[in-house]
Amino acid sequence: DAKTTQPPSMDCAEGRAANLPCNHSTISGNEYVYWYRQIHSQGPQYIIHGLKNNETNEMASLIITEDRKSSTLILPHATLRDTAVYYCIVRVMEYGNKLVFGAGTILRVKS
Amino acid sequence: SAVISQKPSRDICQRGTSLTIQCQVDSQVTMMFWYRQQPGQSLTLIATANQGSEATYESGFVIDKFPISRPNLTFSTLTVSNMSPEDSSIYLCSVDSGGMNTEAFFGQGTRLTVV
Repeated sequence: DAKTTQPPSMDCAEGRAANLPCNHSTISGNEYVYWYRQIHSQGPQYIIHGLKNNETNEMASLIITEDRKSSTLILPHATLRDTAVYYCIVRVMEYGNKLVFGAGTILRVKS
Repeated sequence: SAVISQKPSRDICQRGTSLTIQCQVDSQVTMMFWYRQQPGQSLTLIATANQGSEATYESGFVIDKFPISRPNLTFSTLTVSNMSPEDSSIYLCSVDSGGMNTEAFFGQGTRLTVV
């Protein structure tokens, strides 16, 4: 089973920051948080991952709380092309480091 | 990053037949996985394709229904056997190094419709 909880859907205005929350209260100390997204009819696309420090790349920023029980993915300037299902995944050692997908959050970016 | 090619991209098949899906990677990879995504659902892991040995299947998936081959470090196949309409799904190949701190990459998927 997935170790994460995400809201089923969110809306965001085009050009605004999209902040997608994720709860992972049972995360262990050496387990990473990964974010992927899936645009309709395509394979999942890697966005970012982190352990405990905040991370930023060309696509997004990842903010992980100090207790590591939750995180937020930030798309700084959402565009219509960012409309997708966003998956927050904890990579679990007991699962052999496999990626176990939850239901994800449907992000709708609106003009 | 790895470039993954899946074939076919889509197919419509008759019930009772089998379809073999191919996954080709442009570099050698340690781990290859097969996922299923049923209509409107999230991804479910079918199995880990092990090079040179039998695949490791997740609960609810069996080798007779989903035989998998992995002859080398860049190629794998998944066969969906004796298909029924319930097998209509997107089947996705994924690759990664298996480490906790490395990202996995996904193919574009094979959209299978069984009629």
